[in-house]
Amino acid sequence: QVQLVESGGGLVKPGGSLRLSCAASGFTFSDYYMGWVRQAPGKGLEWISHMSNTDTKYYADSVKGRFTISRENAKNSLYLQMNSLRAEDTAIYYCVRVEYYYHRSGYYVDAFDIWGQGTMLTVSS
Amino acid sequence: DIQMTQSPSSVSASVGDRVTITCRASQHISSWLAWYQQKPGKAPKLLIYAASSLQSGVPSRFSGSGSGTDFTLTITGLQPEDFASYYCQQAHTFPRTFGQGTKVEIK
Repeated sequence: QVQLVESGGGLVKPGGSLRLSCAASGFTFSDYYMGWVRQAPGKGLEWISHMSNTDTKYYADSVKGRFTISRENAKNSLYLQMNSLRAEDTAIYYCVRVEYYYHRSGYYVDAFDIWGQGTMLTVSS
Repeated sequence: DIQMTQSPSSVSASVGDRVTITCRASQHISSWLAWYQQKPGKAPKLLIYAASSLQSGVPSRFSGSGSGTDFTLTITGLQPEDFASYYCQQAHTFPRTFGQGTKVEIK
């Protein structure tokens, strides 16, 4: 079945680095845009990054310059390299698949149709 | 950035009730809006895309409407499994942004 499984979370000191991974299965990974959404403890959802299947990347201002999204289609994997980590980066990080739906207006509209179970990152000294 | 504002922040309702959640965008986003449901300890689940299209497998008691800046999610005939948090999200512009969430609680 279609599945996303994140890994790589953990406890990191402020200023440290970590790389999250997301293993995809059950669909043709290379056909899809992919992204990351996070949720701080007890808080709402925050989109942080998005990557096309042709290497176009988008970032939230809160992580721009510190986080890098990448993918390895041959391994059906998405990554998030996180540097210069701060306490406010503490959150559950979800990997998401971006599906595009045809709208009657003639445009395509996207939504996050598949979510992983999430991996927890704690940034603390 | 486009700000998404949901109301109410929480609502108490009973099984069988009709519940309406509102989402307002700070600028025009056409129909580029999605709704998600999140249960405690679980990942969010896509309910509605393009403001009013039901995601495959989602019960028909969920419906979405609106365009431009004002949108609603309606649950008609609330079921026990519907007690959860709900989020809207605009897909018009980067950065993608979510509403702050609405918690549907048992009365």
